Amino acid sequence: QKEVEQNSGPLSVPEGAIASLNCTYSDRVSQSFFWYRQYSGKSPELIMSIYSNGDKEDGRFTAQLNKASQYVSLLIRDSQPSDSATYLCAVLYNQGGKLIFGQGTELSVKP
Amino acid sequence: GAVVSQHPSWVICKSGTSVKIECRSLDFQATTMFWYRQFPKQSLMLMATSNEGSKATYEQGVEKDKFLINHASLTLSTLTVTSAHPEDSSFYICSASHSGTYNYGYTFGSGTRLTVV
Repeated sequence: QKEVEQNSGPLSVPEGAIASLNCTYSDRVSQSFFWYRQYSGKSPELIMSIYSNGDKEDGRFTAQLNKASQYVSLLIRDSQPSDSATYLCAVLYNQGGKLIFGQGTELSVKP
Repeated sequence: GAVVSQHPSWVICKSGTSVKIECRSLDFQATTMFWYRQFPKQSLMLMATSNEGSKATYEQGVEKDKFLINHASLTLSTLTVTSAHPEDSSFYICSASHSGTYNYGYTFGSGTRLTVV
């Protein structure tokens, strides 16, 4: 069974700190990985995508991928209260193009 | 670009009735759309894959006779919850790939909050 695992949190960090979100996945064949942010009552919005081992930076966000360990992470630098949301890790399974989500990590950034 | 419109945003219906939810790709063609369901404090659970011009593919445990999916055109997929019951109350979200391939992620509709009373 294809699984995507995240710590559900909540993760609480002070404003200005680095928030670190982690995700593991079960299917070694997966090649595409995504981080979505979801505010309460809203649909997910794409933050980052990553396909190759290593780091990918976009503004305050850095995604990290380690395919050997089947591990994906998201770092948020200089966290802001507006970053408070649930962060969903998603893995694309090539068969059928299904995007499977982890259970999400709730992040709270305290002013 | 790459906008997915979902309608209605919320609906309240009586138990036993049916509800139709529409998902439209506004500025691109989507041969494949996906339907998810999300219960409070839980993640998105994939219900089915909607394929234009063919039958939908349902995930294990999802009743295809209860959740009817129609993808009659390249820009429209509909999900009909038939004979709705209170346990069907949930947040339903559709998504589509705008790139023609899957690797660039998906755009999500704004979701439909269904409440069955």
